[in-house]
Amino acid sequence: AQSVTQLDSHVSVSEGTPVLLRCNYSSSYSPSLFWYVQHPNKGLQLLLKYTSAATLVKGINGFEAEFKKSETSFHLTKPSAHMSDAAEYFCVVSDRFGGAGNMLTFGGGTRLMVKP
Amino acid sequence: ETGVTQSPTHLIKTRGQQVTLRCSSQSGHNTVSWYQQALGQGPQFIFQYYREEENGRGNFPPRFSGLQFPNYSSELNVNALELDDSALYLCASSPDDGQGASEQYFGPGTRLTVT
Repeated sequence: AQSVTQLDSHVSVSEGTPVLLRCNYSSSYSPSLFWYVQHPNKGLQLLLKYTSAATLVKGINGFEAEFKKSETSFHLTKPSAHMSDAAEYFCVVSDRFGGAGNMLTFGGGTRLMVKP
Repeated sequence: ETGVTQSPTHLIKTRGQQVTLRCSSQSGHNTVSWYQQALGQGPQFIFQYYREEENGRGNFPPRFSGLQFPNYSSELNVNALELDDSALYLCASSPDDGQGASEQYFGPGTRLTVT
């Protein structure tokens, strides 16, 4: 089974400064990787996905992530944090099973706090 | 385009009771998955349905069961509720891309509290 490890449970940044949320994955083959965001008392929203096309993936709200096979990493970045970015972020790997099925395996999450 | 919807929003049940949670998939999506998210943790995969059949299952006991209907809506049933079943239950739908790499689109969840 594949797995993901989010290296920081909490990250705090000031508004306008860069954001870096770190994720390492474990996979026996080329994985499909995602970042999801969860605002308080809300469902999960897809930020971006990697499926072996381009290693630098751009997502919504100015976020991007770079797939580095040699480092088994898929870190999420944003050049300038906004107060509305404060939320829980999940790095996710897709595990295939039978036919066209897949299950998502979530990391433990990183809570991003943005200070004014 | 309507997103994934779930009902009810909140639910309080007593230990030993049974509960049914409902989900309507996003238009055009034929695959639905259910996840359990305990407080402070990431979601955990319960099972997935594809064309009305269970397609895969996570590490959950048989008292967690589901259904998918011809219109691709779905139910999650939990029997003999335990206190540890208290969690946010998330439904996610996805299109069939034939490669098992589809992203999944999540509903807002149902908050279940077992007392």
